[in-house]
Amino acid sequence: EPEVTQTPSHQVTQMGQEVILRCVPISNHLYFYWYRQILGQKVEFLVSFYNNEISEKSEIFDDQFSVERPDGSNFTLKIRSTKLEDSAMYFCASSGLVNSGELFFGEGSRLTVL
Amino acid sequence: LAKTTQPISMDSYEGQEVNITCSHNNIATNDYITWYQQFPSQGPRFIIQGYKTKVTNEVASLFIPADRKSSTLSLPRVSLSDTAVYYCLVDPYQTGANNLFFGTGTRLTVIP
Repeated sequence: EPEVTQTPSHQVTQMGQEVILRCVPISNHLYFYWYRQILGQKVEFLVSFYNNEISEKSEIFDDQFSVERPDGSNFTLKIRSTKLEDSAMYFCASSGLVNSGELFFGEGSRLTVL
Repeated sequence: LAKTTQPISMDSYEGQEVNITCSHNNIATNDYITWYQQFPSQGPRFIIQGYKTKVTNEVASLFIPADRKSSTLSLPRVSLSDTAVYYCLVDPYQTGANNLFFGTGTRLTVIP
């Protein structure tokens, strides 16, 4: 069964450092998303991406965040200057054109900011 | 977006049928009802989606009454591995831009 893969599974970084989280969506999917979940809290929408541009973003997704699909297979989330409160599990998801109510989530990348 | 309300937690014994009800009084005409499951430290996983009446797949059934103001996820004969958080979401069914908004969900604990 096709799946969304994310790397790294866990990253520890110092406050102020840049972090890039990588995702390989399911190959024939066209819509890509990043969500995050702070420990013990809700899954929160960050950004959606279609046709090489951001479709929608939440208030969380401020100027410190950016997304890119650099090579047609990877989908990355960059946090320019990490803050302590960025510590969370970051989930990438993708969906196809048909049956678009279903998002396929990856296993997540746990980011710890010290 | 329609607000959803579901119980914070439920316990069930192995082998029993579990029904988790979600209310969504402000559901709009073009909204679909979707349920996701999340195990600890994993991403949410799609379970089932419906618009009205009943939908069944290999994992669960979804019952939606005629007024669509609530829905019930039914898990037949749960096992320990069904212990997870279950989310009810109500979102417009539109091509792309599926920015799902997750609530707090229902934490189901299956007891041996």
